[in-house]
Amino acid sequence: EPEVTQTPSHQVTQMGQEVILRCVPISNHLYFYWYRQILGQKVEFLVSFYNNEISEKSEIFDDQFSVERPDGSNFTLKIRSTKLEDSAMYFCASSEFQQSNEQFFGPGTRLTVL
Amino acid sequence: ELKVEQNPLFLSMQEGKNYTIYCNYSTTSDRLYWYRQDPGKSLESLFVLLSNGAVKQEGRLMASLDTKARLSTLHITAAVHDLSATYFCAVVLYNNNDMRFGAGTRLTVKP
Repeated sequence: EPEVTQTPSHQVTQMGQEVILRCVPISNHLYFYWYRQILGQKVEFLVSFYNNEISEKSEIFDDQFSVERPDGSNFTLKIRSTKLEDSAMYFCASSEFQQSNEQFFGPGTRLTVL
Repeated sequence: ELKVEQNPLFLSMQEGKNYTIYCNYSTTSDRLYWYRQDPGKSLESLFVLLSNGAVKQEGRLMASLDTKARLSTLHITAAVHDLSATYFCAVVLYNNNDMRFGAGTRLTVKP
């Protein structure tokens, strides 16, 4: 069964460093998403992406974040200058359509900022 | 602003008992989802509810949606230990991709 994959599973970085989190969505899906979950808290929407551009973003997704689909398969989240409070689990998701369609989540990348 | 509230946040049940988790949301929505998350794991889709009065059942779990009341319920029947997990509801505004999650209900089923 097709699934969303994410790499790395765990990333440790120093404050102020740039990180890139990678996701491979399900191959026939058209919509892509990033969420984060701070330990023990709820899942928070960051951004959605369709047709090579951002379609929605939350207030969390500020100028230090960016997303890209550099090729036909990968979908990346870049955090330009990490802060301690960026430590969280980051989930990628994809869906086939926008309307009436469930999002399938990847296993997540645990980001630890020291 | 869309707000999603779940209750209870923590639920400890005995095996064999029934209970309901509630999900209220603040503005009109046409899509509501229920997810399960095991500790340290990703989110597993349980139900997608798309219309008023929608009811879906899978095993010991049944979800319903009342769009007029802006309320969804997740009913657990005859709980078993394997159902122990955190359950999230999530709501998406019409014609929007911004999915807002509730705080989650951490369910523990005790033998």
